[in-house]
Amino acid sequence: AQKITQTQPGMFVQEKEAVTLDCTYDTSDPSYGLFWYKQPSSGEMIFLIYQGSYDQQNATEGRYSLNFQKARKSANLVISASQLGDSAMYFCAMRESGTGANNLFFGTGTRLTVIP
Amino acid sequence: EAGVAQSPRYKIIEKRQSVAFWCNPISGHATLYWYQQILGQGPKLLIQFQNNGVVDDSQLPKDRFSAERLKGVDSTLKIQPAKLEDSAVYLCASSLDRGGARVQTQYFGPGTRLLVL
Repeated sequence: AQKITQTQPGMFVQEKEAVTLDCTYDTSDPSYGLFWYKQPSSGEMIFLIYQGSYDQQNATEGRYSLNFQKARKSANLVISASQLGDSAMYFCAMRESGTGANNLFFGTGTRLTVIP
Repeated sequence: EAGVAQSPRYKIIEKRQSVAFWCNPISGHATLYWYQQILGQGPKLLIQFQNNGVVDDSQLPKDRFSAERLKGVDSTLKIQPAKLEDSAVYLCASSLDRGGARVQTQYFGPGTRLLVL
C-alpha cells in the first residue's frame, strides 16, 4: 500500500488566490511526521512545513499552512495569496519514528502552476 | 549556515561506465541520506547513514550501487556499471538527529542529474 497519496497531478491557481494541495497518508505508527517540500525546476527540494502526529495545532509557516485531519489521515497544504514564484512541484512526505530508520516516504507530487 | 552541497550537478555517461557523486551535509548533522528521483516520481531512499554507520540500505541495488561515509561527514555514492534505468536525479539530504524521539527535518542538496546513454 502507498504510504503517501497525492491525487492531483496538476493544479492551476490564479495569482493572489489560495490553493489547497491534497495529501493522504497510511501508517500504523502512532508517532510520525508529515512534511511538504517544494521542488522548482532547478531540482532542489525546499522544506516548507512540518506537522508532528502529536501536535495539537495545525502548522503554519508564513503563507503556508497545513490542514491536518488525523482521523481522516490527511495533511493538505494550503498556500494563501499565491505568487508566480510558487509555480513548482510540491511533494508530501511522511517519516515514521517507530522503525528507527526515519527515512522519508514521498508521494508522486503535484505540479502547481500560478496564472498571472 | 551553508546548506547541503553536492557535486557534480550534471553527469552524462554511457551504459556500463562508472560514476561517483559527492555530498557534504550541513555541519553537525549526524544523519545523511541518498535518494533517487526518477522523472515524474517522488524521491526514493537508497541509503541512510547515522554518523558513519549504515542504518538502512534495503532499497540500494547492491550489485551495482555502493556508498560510504568516512569519518561521519562527507559521503560518496557510486554506480558501477551504470544502466539506462539509472538515469535520474540523485539527491543527498541531512538531518540533525542528535538523539531524542522527535522526527527531524531533512534538508536537501541541489541534486545531481545523471543521464545514462
